[in-house]
Amino acid sequence: AQKVTQAQTEISVVEKEDVTLDCVYETRDTTYYLFWYKQPPSGELVFLIRRNSFDEQNEISGRYSWNFQKSTSSFNFTITASQVVDSAVYFCASQAGAQKLVFGQGTRLTINP
Amino acid sequence: DAGITQSPRHKVTETGTPVTLRCHQTENHRYMYWYRQDPGHGLRLIHYSYGVKDTDKGEVSDGYSVSRSKTEDFLLTLESATSSQTSVYFCAISVADARADTQYFGPGTRLTVL
Repeated sequence: AQKVTQAQTEISVVEKEDVTLDCVYETRDTTYYLFWYKQPPSGELVFLIRRNSFDEQNEISGRYSWNFQKSTSSFNFTITASQVVDSAVYFCASQAGAQKLVFGQGTRLTINP
Repeated sequence: DAGITQSPRHKVTETGTPVTLRCHQTENHRYMYWYRQDPGHGLRLIHYSYGVKDTDKGEVSDGYSVSRSKTEDFLLTLESATSSQTSVYFCAISVADARADTQYFGPGTRLTVL
């Protein structure tokens, strides 16, 4: 069975600080996919990124970057120079076959001006 | 915009009453899902569908049933609502690209069972 753990329930930083959201996953499958979603205060779920298990290359998109390490079963998300608009709940999720997503508990990120 | 709508967006009902939530998509995607979101649990899968009249249970299916008579609509029914079913319900579709699938979510339905 899959499991995703986001140990950080809440994080609060001051604007312009860098912040890293941790995600640890468990799976017995050799092929799997990892995701990050953002849920802003308005409540919708916004897809941010998908990584495949066979592709450990890190990815950067503007101020966002993702560090995928199979050796530690981690898929961490870093926001550089955080902004108030980054305040949201962030979910990490995994998927291995059968199209089913398993979510972590979420990390509530607050960026203070 | 993944072309997903949910109705109603908010509902307050009483214990023991039946409730049906509707998810509608405009792009003929095969897979559709119902999740519930609760504090401390993230999102958990209730039921999913892999085609018209083809459905299967998820992690927290007790007390829920689903139906899919048309590709575009996926209905979630609470036969007799209980207070433990107070939650935010999200519908999702799965969109395939050349490498894998990604789920996109509807706006959610906030259900309160008194």
